[in-house]
Amino acid sequence: LAKTTQPVSMDSYEGQEVNITCSHNNIATNDYITWYQQFPSQGPRFIIQGYKTKVTNEVASLFIPADRKSSTLSLPRVSLSDTAVYYCLVGNAGNNRKLIWGLGTSLAVNP
Amino acid sequence: SQTIHQWPATLVQPVGSPLSLECTVEGTSNPNLYWYRQAAGRGLQLLFYSVGIGQISSEVPQNLSASRPQDRQFILSSKKLLLSDSGFYLCAWSREETQYFGPGTRLLVL
Repeated sequence: LAKTTQPVSMDSYEGQEVNITCSHNNIATNDYITWYQQFPSQGPRFIIQGYKTKVTNEVASLFIPADRKSSTLSLPRVSLSDTAVYYCLVGNAGNNRKLIWGLGTSLAVNP
Repeated sequence: SQTIHQWPATLVQPVGSPLSLECTVEGTSNPNLYWYRQAAGRGLQLLFYSVGIGQISSEVPQNLSASRPQDRQFILSSKKLLLSDSGFYLCAWSREETQYFGPGTRLLVL
């Protein structure tokens, strides 16, 4: 089963770019890498998903090296409202038993 | 677009009482459905998942059960709640590789 390792917490300031790295050494061939954002007492919100190389959407970018053993979520110009817990998830929702949630990274954005 | 609903939003129940949490999905058909529990400051723990009506798989043995009476309805139940059942319960649906989550139910067992 693919397990992920992320920093427990990170601090940043408004307007900065934040990069959160997740390591997943035993990622399987059919696993995708998905990042979620969670605010207190709310369900996780899908941010971005990728399989390899780079994926970009309107809120973030996801960088995945060729060996896929790690990935980096990049949040451009964070604001106070980006203060949340960010989870890196490796697996495939079509194969339910492979979805393992870690403790996530608690990001604090300061003014 | 797809939406997922959970109710109630919060619930306070005495130990030994029954439980029924409901989840419904709109805007999709034949989704995979999931129940998760999240303890304070912890990651999500998968409890049950379902790939179709009446098909339930349990990930963690406990005093909870799940049912899927309709394609887009998923119910989490218990006959007798324990103190350890307190937590934040999340329902999710998926199609292909991605899961999408509901707003959650905060359960406090006293």
